[in-house]
Amino acid sequence: ETGVTQTPRHLVMGMTNKKSLKCEQHLGHNAMYWYKQSAKKPLELMFVYSLEERVENNSVPSRFSPECPNSSHLFLHLHTLQPEDSALYLCASSQVYEASGMSSYEQYFGPGTRLTVT
Amino acid sequence: QKEVEQDPGPLSVPEGAIVSLNCTYSNSAFQYFMWYRQYSRKGPELLMYTYSSGNKEDGRFTAQVDKSSKYISLFIRDSQPSDSATYLCAIPSRDAGNMLTFGGGTRLMVKP
Repeated sequence: ETGVTQTPRHLVMGMTNKKSLKCEQHLGHNAMYWYKQSAKKPLELMFVYSLEERVENNSVPSRFSPECPNSSHLFLHLHTLQPEDSALYLCASSQVYEASGMSSYEQYFGPGTRLTVT
Repeated sequence: QKEVEQDPGPLSVPEGAIVSLNCTYSNSAFQYFMWYRQYSRKGPELLMYTYSSGNKEDGRFTAQVDKSSKYISLFIRDSQPSDSATYLCAIPSRDAGNMLTFGGGTRLMVKP
């Protein structure tokens, strides 16, 4: 596997279900991101993990719960979602420079998980 | 006012046309400007980026920044059907560790 992979690619879930999205990066990066992409809206940054610590939450509802067990893996746990949560969920990774805490400009994205909440 | 704004399109052009895609931004402190391309059912991929004002050319693609107007453009010469995709401008914020703020994306369709 190369780059950033995401599973599953498609997910349909009911409002009472619990599911998890998985992301894995094979680039040796030390920062990972979850984004939400809805139709006709800009990419919304949901969570950032830099050097395995969460550094950004962006007021995401608690029905979304991220987990980053190591620098290569990222999960998004979903429970009691709403229909408006239906969207493409994208994972990305980048390299953060430890001395400055600044990320390189380029982020590498996975193909996304298309989530439909019924 | 949104930090980065972009016309959603869709923009439909014939093959061989010159395409102009544009974004406006509100924060005059922004220094780097990036263009991502997103094909259907794929994640965005970095196409090119520029620093401060001026032009940068890469093959058929030219990125242009006008900091005085807070306006960035991506020009595609001799457009091809394979250029059909959504183009997103993105700007890193140094105040936020270079987190990216994205425009909404412009969907481009190049017809053979």
